[in-house]
Amino acid sequence: QSVLTQPPSVSGAPGQRVTISCTGSSSNIGTGRDVHWYQHLPGTAPKLLIYANTNRPSGVPDRFSGSNSGTSASLAITGLQAEDEADYFCQSYDLNLGVIFGGGTKVTVL
Amino acid sequence: QVQLQESGPRLVKPSQTLSLTCTVSGGSIGTDGYYWSWIRLLPGQGLEWIGYIYYSGSTSYNPALKSRVVIATDTSKRQFSLNLRSVTVADTAIYYCARSRNYDSERDHWGQGTLVTVSS
Repeated sequence: QSVLTQPPSVSGAPGQRVTISCTGSSSNIGTGRDVHWYQHLPGTAPKLLIYANTNRPSGVPDRFSGSNSGTSASLAITGLQAEDEADYFCQSYDLNLGVIFGGGTKVTVL
Repeated sequence: QVQLQESGPRLVKPSQTLSLTCTVSGGSIGTDGYYWSWIRLLPGQGLEWIGYIYYSGSTSYNPALKSRVVIATDTSKRQFSLNLRSVTVADTAIYYCARSRNYDSERDHWGQGTLVTVSS
């Protein structure tokens, strides 16, 4: 059971917009701790997608965007493409548990 | 460009110690002020942070694993290691090493990961 809750899966047609939620609590995201997002394809290293809630590393398309409010954060993918089919994980920090991750969300492009 | 690579046995017997090494190229682990982490991907579950070591040698571990984990560095070899003792089948996972600038910040560089299976 992951400390951060993500939906197991989301799907969308090419070109559509999908969002992935990451729900925490008052001991992690709710304290103002940053949320980071990773994209993961099987057999590869997780790739940093969003850091510090809203920032994209160099090379990450602006189709990916992050936001947060209260005890939750969200990752949005606009103009969904076939290459976006992957697992996505959120990460934050908890006062009692240390570094924490979400359970992951599988994005399927229909 | 910093690169990380995990190495170690892929099969460990129950009750034994899982030992992995992460070799860092393109940077120093003893002077650059980074945190070096071990993280694992459990089958059918999410990522789980195991612990980290700071370049100064201080460590922090996941409370759920703390009693079984030791992370250490060998700066001369540009390596840091993971020892997880008394393993069970529940420790079967893909193990990753990763780097971050702060203890709570993003992991900006990751190794490719290595699958470790616990089985008799």
